[in-house]
Amino acid sequence: LAKTTQPISMDSYEGQEVNITCSHNNIATNDYITWYQQFPSQGPRFIIQGYKTKVTNEVASLFIPADRKSSTLSLPRVSLSDTAVYYCLVGFYSSASKIIFGSGTRLSIRP
Amino acid sequence: DVKVTQSSRYLVKRTGEKVFLECVQDMDHENMFWYRQDPGLGLRLIYFSYDVKMKEKGDIPEGYSVSREKKERFSLILESASTNQTSMYLCASRTGATNEKLFFGSGTQLSVL
Repeated sequence: LAKTTQPISMDSYEGQEVNITCSHNNIATNDYITWYQQFPSQGPRFIIQGYKTKVTNEVASLFIPADRKSSTLSLPRVSLSDTAVYYCLVGFYSSASKIIFGSGTRLSIRP
Repeated sequence: DVKVTQSSRYLVKRTGEKVFLECVQDMDHENMFWYRQDPGLGLRLIYFSYDVKMKEKGDIPEGYSVSREKKERFSLILESASTNQTSMYLCASRTGATNEKLFFGSGTQLSVL
């Protein structure tokens, strides 16, 4: 499993774009990059997954450079409700795979 | 929508008690997982099951066991609860398809006194 490194915490303000970067230098050829979001007192929920270049959905964008050694989760125009912990996972998850979470990035949004 | 239901939101038990945490999913998922979450430590995998009656240890299985007799239900068992098992326990499930996402329950906050 690829080791991931992401900031422990980040602060931003409402209306700003927030970018959270995850480093994964030993990513394997078949590995995918997946991000989860966890609100206080809830279980994490999936927000986005990608393999290369850019993926966008209604919640976020995921940017992956050509070497795939890092990835950036981009949250456009954040609001207070985006305050959460964001987890970056890197791996190829088959039916019998362990799925390991790191400590995540605690994002705090201020008014 | 997938529903992953954990039987209790809050649970208080005494040291030495045998504790059962139950998790049920309604989407016929092959894989089910138990994590615990402690402040500053993120989610740590205790056990997972990739099919009925099949289980694998996660990173911190000591003091825990699991049971998966039916596909929809995955139980976490604390054979003799200890105070260091006070934690938030999160259950998750997913299909067995490659790279499919996890669906989590709301968690059980267990306090062992």
